Amino acid sequence: QSALTQPPSASGSPGQSVTISCTGTSSDVGGYNYVSWYQQHPGKAPKLMIYEVSKRPSGVPDRFSGSKSGNTASLTVSGLQADDEADYYCSSYAGSHNFVFGTGTKVTVL
Amino acid sequence: EVQLVESGGSLVQPGGSLRLSCAASGFTFSSYWMRWVRQAPGKGLELVANIKQDGSEKYYVDSVKGRFTISRDNAKNSLFLQMNSLRAEDTAVYYCARDSNWDFAYWGQGTLVTVSS
Repeated sequence: QSALTQPPSASGSPGQSVTISCTGTSSDVGGYNYVSWYQQHPGKAPKLMIYEVSKRPSGVPDRFSGSKSGNTASLTVSGLQADDEADYYCSSYAGSHNFVFGTGTKVTVL
Repeated sequence: EVQLVESGGSLVQPGGSLRLSCAASGFTFSSYWMRWVRQAPGKGLELVANIKQDGSEKYYVDSVKGRFTISRDNAKNSLFLQMNSLRAEDTAVYYCARDSNWDFAYWGQGTLVTVSS
């Protein structure tokens, strides 16, 4: 099972929006509505930001939104803030109790 | 509050063994799938193993099949990962994670496993 493809980096100025793509196949992203997104600050554990493609856990700001079209999922961070600077990973269920993660995207707030 | 606390990571020689533990609290442990995820230094996340609520179903990534065993003790709210025949490429921070909606909803702080001579 190959990792999902994410751009290595993305950036934006404070207040702007940034969108991160996550491309898989019909066996993972395209086949299930179980795409989730994680934020990871350096030296810290990942934190769930989006689950089931577009749902936000309690406590996650509505500046974070998710969507999916075909085999590609996307995470949009609106109104960028300094604390949004982190690594972001997508993940998708891939059947048979297997999950695959994305390659990761480093978001820089300029 | 959901808490997951890993322990057991250390420096081990290639070919050696290690047993990781994850102590869970703040939720009904026996009601959730549990997972081990690892992150090699400077690299991305990788699911290592999954275990069903009652331990009856398990999944392993191909690279650890036959070497690692995931288990759980619902009476003690604990998750385990027995790692045998360790290789340099197993060096990583190992995280314990809890499922909620086919995801990794909660994570522990991680425990570092270093395989080196």
